[in-house]
Amino acid sequence: QKEVEQDPGPLSVPEGAIVSLNCTYSNSAFQYFMWYRQYSRKGPELLMYTYSSGNKEDGRFTAQVDKSSKYISLFIRDSQPSDSATYLCAAVGRGTDKLIFGTGTRLQVFP
Amino acid sequence: DTGVSQNPRHKITKRGQNVTFRCDPISEHNRLYWYRQTLGQGPEFLTYFQNEAQLEKSRLLSDRFSAERPKGSFSTLEIQRTEQGDSAMYLCASSFPARTDTQYFGPGTRLTVL
Repeated sequence: QKEVEQDPGPLSVPEGAIVSLNCTYSNSAFQYFMWYRQYSRKGPELLMYTYSSGNKEDGRFTAQVDKSSKYISLFIRDSQPSDSATYLCAAVGRGTDKLIFGTGTRLQVFP
Repeated sequence: DTGVSQNPRHKITKRGQNVTFRCDPISEHNRLYWYRQTLGQGPEFLTYFQNEAQLEKSRLLSDRFSAERPKGSFSTLEIQRTEQGDSAMYLCASSFPARTDTQYFGPGTRLTVL
């Protein structure tokens, strides 16, 4: 079992929709959680990071962490075709710097 | 541009050859990381440095792989006797110390082993 699980999709939504992307994790030692966006054949781009349970908002993006159920989410409001990419969730545990990634969810927003 | 840079962007080599990749981190960042990403998967951690010290290595980093950061600035990743299974995107990231939550990635080097 992978430490961070993520549905690979693809997820296809119309422009303007609210998108929900989700990951689960198994390691209780994970402290920090991040979301990266990766366009085809490019490096991952950091979108958001969070430490604690609850919500964190940045523009059209909201990251949510529920440590009790080991569940992390990214919501995208008013989705745009330019949001079409692969979204990667990642986690970091105590005493280490290595990011543990999910497989990524491919999102397609059509006009 | 003050982001992480990687060279070359693409490398095609024949099985058995040695290859070397370079990463230049964001200038203020002390920590530098290497990851490998295969098609349809998320990046997998290989190793990381604080300044010139290599602090952690993954089991994925076999004896054929070596990474260096001799002056605490740029880093190189060398793969000896390449195998077809080494074909992947090799990603470099950097961060401030104790800010593992904000690792910034470069564009990657795509390696194809024929």
